[in-house]
Amino acid sequence: AQSVTQPDIHITVSEGASLELRCNYSYGATPYLFWYVQSPGQGLQLLLKYFSGDTLVQGIKGFEAEFKRSQSSFNLRKPSVHWSDAAEYFCAVVRSGTYKYIFGTGTRLKVLA
Amino acid sequence: DAGVTQSPTHLIKTRGQHVTLRCSPISGHKSVSWYQQVLGQGPQFIFQYYEKEERGRGNFPDRFSARQFPNYSSELNVNALLLGDSALYLCASSASGGGTEAFFGQGTRLTVV
Repeated sequence: AQSVTQPDIHITVSEGASLELRCNYSYGATPYLFWYVQSPGQGLQLLLKYFSGDTLVQGIKGFEAEFKRSQSSFNLRKPSVHWSDAAEYFCAVVRSGTYKYIFGTGTRLKVLA
Repeated sequence: DAGVTQSPTHLIKTRGQHVTLRCSPISGHKSVSWYQQVLGQGPQFIFQYYEKEERGRGNFPDRFSARQFPNYSSELNVNALLLGDSALYLCASSASGGGTEAFFGQGTRLTVV
């Protein structure tokens, strides 16, 4: 069965520090991969997506993610975190041609001033 | 263009009651999916509709039902509410039925007391 693992439930970083959020997926082929961000009480906003091609994808708000097939990972990175980045981040996968997104349990990011 | 619109934003129901949640997709999008997000968890897939037909159902009881109208808006109905149905219900809109990026609404926060 397909699954998504986000090993870190909570991460705390200082403003200006770099950030990496981990995501591992279990799937028989290359799925479509997504990162979403959710502020408290809000819906999900798409940060970036990977369908195929270049394994390093750029997203909004200065985020990027790298797809590593050999590690079944799709980690999210940002070189310098801003206080406004504090939120919950979800990694999701969906199989090509299907409709069902499978989400990880999320990583809650706290940013220290 | 307006994004995905969900109504109401919040509601409180009593155990055993029935609730209807509504979703209007992005103009031109023909697919609507519903997700349940319990506090502290990632969203869980409930239904997908494409061109007014149900394309998939998640692991939810028959108390949950949905439909899509000719204008592609959608309703999610939940009967015989349980305390465990308290959650954020998210609607996602996508252009087609398979594996494209989904755009999420702000959600409906349902509290069952």
